[in-house]
Amino acid sequence: GQQLNQSPQSMFIQEGEDVSMNCTSSSIFNTWLWYKQDPGEGPVLLIALYKAGELTSNGRLTAQFGITRKDSFLNISASIPSDVGIYFCAGPPPWAGSYQLTFGKGTKLSVIP
Amino acid sequence: DTAVSQTPKYLVTQMGNDKSIKCEQNLGHDTMYWYKQDSKKFLKIMFSYNNKELIINETVPNRFSPKSPDKAHLNLHINSLELGDSAVYFCASSPAPYEQYFGPGTRLTVT
Repeated sequence: GQQLNQSPQSMFIQEGEDVSMNCTSSSIFNTWLWYKQDPGEGPVLLIALYKAGELTSNGRLTAQFGITRKDSFLNISASIPSDVGIYFCAGPPPWAGSYQLTFGKGTKLSVIP
Repeated sequence: DTAVSQTPKYLVTQMGNDKSIKCEQNLGHDTMYWYKQDSKKFLKIMFSYNNKELIINETVPNRFSPKSPDKAHLNLHINSLELGDSAVYFCASSPAPYEQYFGPGTRLTVT
């Protein structure tokens, strides 16, 4: 099936630093979603993007829908310890029905106080 | 609280047993899902129901059978459990395509 490639796989940063991660695909996606999963919990939707070039913020988080429609980016500014978790990108694969999402393998973020 | 809830949170059982996981959402969403998350945290869709009708059925062994008694509930029954079934199972719901809301997960351990 379609793979969404997330980079980096993991990252260790100092509290207060900014974070950037991305998600790429070999196919065009019409929607990009970013989720965060805390340890022992289910993924929580952070940001949804529906239009190429769209830039959307949610507090300290900003996500962008790449202009080629084959990638998306998530930035976290001024990281804090509670930003720790796994960040997943997701999108509906072009061959599937409307309700199906494929997920990337996640970027594991660790924040050093 | 409005949410997607699952029971049980943890399930430990022996190979060969049959078990069920229950999911309920009180968000009024029409579509519900079951996902499996393996030890490497990869999330894979298993099933999806829209208004009690099966719309997604990925390549999952037929030992797994979803049941949707009504729009707010989607249960997962697993027959003849195997070691490889050990994983975290997530239920989710969505009001429309794409924006899915996940439950807290059920950690299944088969011994």
